[in-house]
Amino acid sequence: DVKVTQSSRYLVKRTGEKVFLECVQDMDHENMFWYRQDPGLGLRLIYFSYDVKMKEKGDIPEGYSVSREKKERFSLILESASTNQTSMYLCASSIKTGGSNQPQHFGDGTRLSIL
Amino acid sequence: EDQVTQSPEALRLQEGESSSLNCSYTVSGLRGLFWYRQDPGKGPEFLFTLYSAGEEKEKERLKATLTKKESFLHITAPKPEDSATYLCAVEKAGTALIFGKGTTLSVSS
Repeated sequence: DVKVTQSSRYLVKRTGEKVFLECVQDMDHENMFWYRQDPGLGLRLIYFSYDVKMKEKGDIPEGYSVSREKKERFSLILESASTNQTSMYLCASSIKTGGSNQPQHFGDGTRLSIL
Repeated sequence: EDQVTQSPEALRLQEGESSSLNCSYTVSGLRGLFWYRQDPGKGPEFLFTLYSAGEEKEKERLKATLTKKESFLHITAPKPEDSATYLCAVEKAGTALIFGKGTTLSVSS
């Protein structure tokens, strides 16, 4: 089974701090994704990556950056945390294929609170 | 604008009372439609992928179907353990997934 591991289940940080959220997958997947999930808004894509050192902006990239130095690891960075970034953050990975699309597999999320 | 709409937002069923969840979409260049289940405090768990109109997939009490404009997740004789939020997502050519907001299903015994 695919395993996507997010480093923290719960995290509390202060406004203005630089925050790192880490995600590791063990299935050699090329694609990795960061979402945030908020009540009434559903899952929204922040950033994604199709390969090492490659990144693409999603729908809501403002205030975030990402790093992908190794294939199995994808980090989300909040440059200067603000209270409106309090949310559930979900990481996902999927295999890249030339034909039919493969599903994304998700971690269990990091619930981040910014005080 | 590309959009995925799920209905109803919430659904309460008695154990054994069959029903359907709806996912309607307006996207061009659909590459696939995905159904996920999400339990409280957990990440979404993959259920099905549908690629073309007329396709059906089944797993235990769940059956997913796809038309050109919508997908249905049929739940037959649900049990309390089927209680969860069900998410629908579509993939366009060359882009990541677009998610609906989900349907929260509660099944009481």
